[in-house]
Amino acid sequence: AQSVTQLDSHVSVSEGTPVLLRCNYSSSYSPSLFWYVQHPNKGLQLLLKYTSAATLVKGINGFEAEFKKSETSFHLTKPSAHMSDAAEYFCVVSASSNTGKLIFGQGTTLQVKP
Amino acid sequence: EAQVTQNPRYLITVTGKKLTVTCSQNMNHEYMSWYRQDPGLGLRQIYYSMNVEVTDKGDVPEGYKVSRKEKRNFPLILESPSPNQTSLYFCASSSAGGGQPQHFGDGTRLSIL
Repeated sequence: AQSVTQLDSHVSVSEGTPVLLRCNYSSSYSPSLFWYVQHPNKGLQLLLKYTSAATLVKGINGFEAEFKKSETSFHLTKPSAHMSDAAEYFCVVSASSNTGKLIFGQGTTLQVKP
Repeated sequence: EAQVTQNPRYLITVTGKKLTVTCSQNMNHEYMSWYRQDPGLGLRQIYYSMNVEVTDKGDVPEGYKVSRKEKRNFPLILESPSPNQTSLYFCASSSAGGGQPQHFGDGTRLSIL
């Protein structure tokens, strides 16, 4: 069975410093992995996705994530945080190879301090 | 513009009064899904549909119904709402097959008193 664990429920950084949001996954097959962002009172927006091509995936707004099979990790990073990055972030794994079902992590709230 | 539209965005109602949350997508997607979001639990799938007239239960289907009579619409029905269904609900759609990113609506906040 597939599962995903976000290791931090809350991360606080200063503007201009690096961001690291951690995600571990469990999958019985080669998974598709996603990061979504949710701003207050908004739906979820896709940041990036991994589907077995390059292990380093670049997304929107300067975010990227690295798929590490040996560590079963898919951590999200950004070199320099901006105030507008403050939001909730979800790591997501596909539940199967032939349906659209997704499994969500519990979410990480990113706070960016001026 | 590609979008998933949910209505209403906010609703306060009372226990037992039937309600429907509508969801419509304009991307000709085969797959549609409903989620509820609760603090500390992330998003949990309620029901999903692989195509017209094909629906199936997700992880938390109790107390909900859905239908998929047309490809673009996927309404969520609460026949007899209860306070434990107070939550933030999201509809999503994607192309068929595994590994496809889903497009989300802006959410519907339901309060059942």
